[in-house]
Amino acid sequence: ELKVEQNPLFLSMQEGKNYTIYCNYSTTSDRLYWYRQDPGKSLESLFVLLSNGAVKQEGRLMASLDTKARLSTLHITAAVHDLSATYFCAVDRGGGGGADGLTFGKGTHLIIQP
Amino acid sequence: NAGVMQNPRHLVRRRGQEARLRCSPMKGHSHVYWYRQLPEEGLKFMVYLQKENIIDESGMPKERFSAEFPKEGPSILRIQQVVRGDSAAYFCASSPGLAGLEQYFGPGTRLTVT
Repeated sequence: ELKVEQNPLFLSMQEGKNYTIYCNYSTTSDRLYWYRQDPGKSLESLFVLLSNGAVKQEGRLMASLDTKARLSTLHITAAVHDLSATYFCAVDRGGGGGADGLTFGKGTHLIIQP
Repeated sequence: NAGVMQNPRHLVRRRGQEARLRCSPMKGHSHVYWYRQLPEEGLKFMVYLQKENIIDESGMPKERFSAEFPKEGPSILRIQQVVRGDSAAYFCASSPGLAGLEQYFGPGTRLTVT
């Protein structure tokens, strides 16, 4: 059974600090997705990582993928309050062969305090 | 370009009633996915459909749940004889069906069973 594990599950940090969220998965898939969810809202796509060594950046967020280690990281630089949300990583259930459903981690609930 | 649409946004049912949740994918998307999110948890895959076909229903409970995506009209997730444990947010996502492209999520239907 495919497992996707995120840590930490809860993170409280101050504005201006840096931090990293980790996502480990148990399949050989080389496609990994990061989503953001605000309370009571839907999921917003942040990054799609499609190959080993992929790195993508958008504003204060940077995501990377190491398929050999089956590890993705989401790095937050100089956090601001607006980044407070729950962040999910997800992996293709089919192992990369097609447009499959996703298996999600439990999410990292991030609170950034002024 | 309208995004993924779901209705109703909120649905209250008494135990034993039926719940019907609808999802219209983004224009040009022919692949639909349903996920369930329990409070404070990640999303759990339920079913993956293309027009008139169920591709993967391995995440669907064996009883009381069914899904369809007819040739015309929205995808429907149907829950018969609802129980309190069915209370959750149900999200629909769509994609063009090409490997590696992210899924776009609808606003969700929040089902409450009383």
